[in-house]
Amino acid sequence: QSVLTQPPSASGTPGQRVTISCSGSSSNIGSRTVNWYQQLPGTAPKLLIYSSSQRPSGVPDRFSGSKSGTSASLAISGLQSEDEADYYCAAWDDSLKDVAFGGGTKLTVL
Amino acid sequence: QLQLQESGPGLVKPSETLSLTCAVSGVSISSGSDYWGWVRQPPGKGLEWIGSISYSGSTYYNPSLKSRVTISRETPKNQFSLKVNSVTAADTAVYYCARRWIAGDAFDYWGRGTLVTVST
Repeated sequence: QSVLTQPPSASGTPGQRVTISCSGSSSNIGSRTVNWYQQLPGTAPKLLIYSSSQRPSGVPDRFSGSKSGTSASLAISGLQSEDEADYYCAAWDDSLKDVAFGGGTKLTVL
Repeated sequence: QLQLQESGPGLVKPSETLSLTCAVSGVSISSGSDYWGWVRQPPGKGLEWIGSISYSGSTYYNPSLKSRVTISRETPKNQFSLKVNSVTAADTAVYYCARRWIAGDAFDYWGRGTLVTVST
């Protein structure tokens, strides 16, 4: 059971906007920044969003992150077939003294 | 360009010790303020943080693995290592090394990962 809760799956059609949620608690998302990682099949995770809403250089602005209270969201606009991947949220947990990952959301582009 | 590369045996017997090394190029692991860590992913499952070592050599471990895990570094070779003792089948996973970028509080550079199978 992951400390951060994500829906196991999400889907959308090309061009659509989809959001993936990540729910935590006061000891992680509520007091820390959130990161989002994209993992394409058979590859290592890639940092997509850091500090809850910042994009590393090279990440398209179709990807955006937000945080409110003990929850965070990743939004993908203008969905493309190459966005089909697993997405993970993560945050430091002050109680566990541990980097907490969400269980991951498998995004399918229909 | 910062790069990380994991290496080590792909097969380990139950009860033995899993040992992996991460070679880093493009930046010194003992300079700056960043940390260097290990993350694993069992087949078909999610990501699990194992632990990290700081630029100064301080270590931090996942509490659930702390009793079996050691992370160390060899600064002349610019590499850091992972040891997991008393492995079981539950330790079968793809093991990734990564840089924990302190400014962004995120793992920003990752190795390609190496599959370690625990089996007789």
